[in-house]
Amino acid sequence: DAGVTQSPTHLIKTRGQQVTLRCSPKSGHDTVSWYQQALGQGPQFIFQYYEEEERQRGNFPDRFSGHQFPNYSSELNVNALLLGDSALYLCASSFPGLASHEQFFGPGTRLTVL
Amino acid sequence: LAKTTQPISMDSYEGQEVNITCSHNNIATNDYITWYQQFPSQGPRFIIQGYKTKVTNEVASLFIPADRKSSTLSLPRVSLSDTAVYYCLVGDAFEGGKLIFGQGTELSVKP
Repeated sequence: DAGVTQSPTHLIKTRGQQVTLRCSPKSGHDTVSWYQQALGQGPQFIFQYYEEEERQRGNFPDRFSGHQFPNYSSELNVNALLLGDSALYLCASSFPGLASHEQFFGPGTRLTVL
Repeated sequence: LAKTTQPISMDSYEGQEVNITCSHNNIATNDYITWYQQFPSQGPRFIIQGYKTKVTNEVASLFIPADRKSSTLSLPRVSLSDTAVYYCLVGDAFEGGKLIFGQGTELSVKP
């Protein structure tokens, strides 16, 4: 059973560019959440997708957008990249309806903005 | 989600029991307490979740006093591979959704 997978593993972009990160949830999971983790900090919630809709959103600007596909996979798009967007981007999947905060995280995508 | 406070770092030696305490004074009635573990350059991993008293699984134990204003994650007989950052989270598990991570506790296990 494959866990959460993310691509690419690493990415280098320059300021002002746009980036798309991809995530495939764990088998049987239909909810995908995205987090940003700066060096030395805990992960920060960006948004969550369920049934192809954004269900919750954290305190991130509109430059951060996402999408969920019918097969539950998801994309995170970041426009007009800033140096401060350099971070590890984590995707997590879960199955709603359970009284649980158990989410399964992928290995992350390391984004470097120069 | 309720604010949590935990030590920034802790040191231990192999074979010892490690207890990491988290304070959450404004925990709500419906809130659960959840702990995650994170190794460098990896995503966090769910360890344990509880509501009251004591919860134990194959990895750790979680102790929650009656007032639920704090909780203690107990790792029995740690090894070098337990060196990681441990996060305490508090929130309504029925809402699921976003997890609010603090800075976590960086545990260093020495030989």
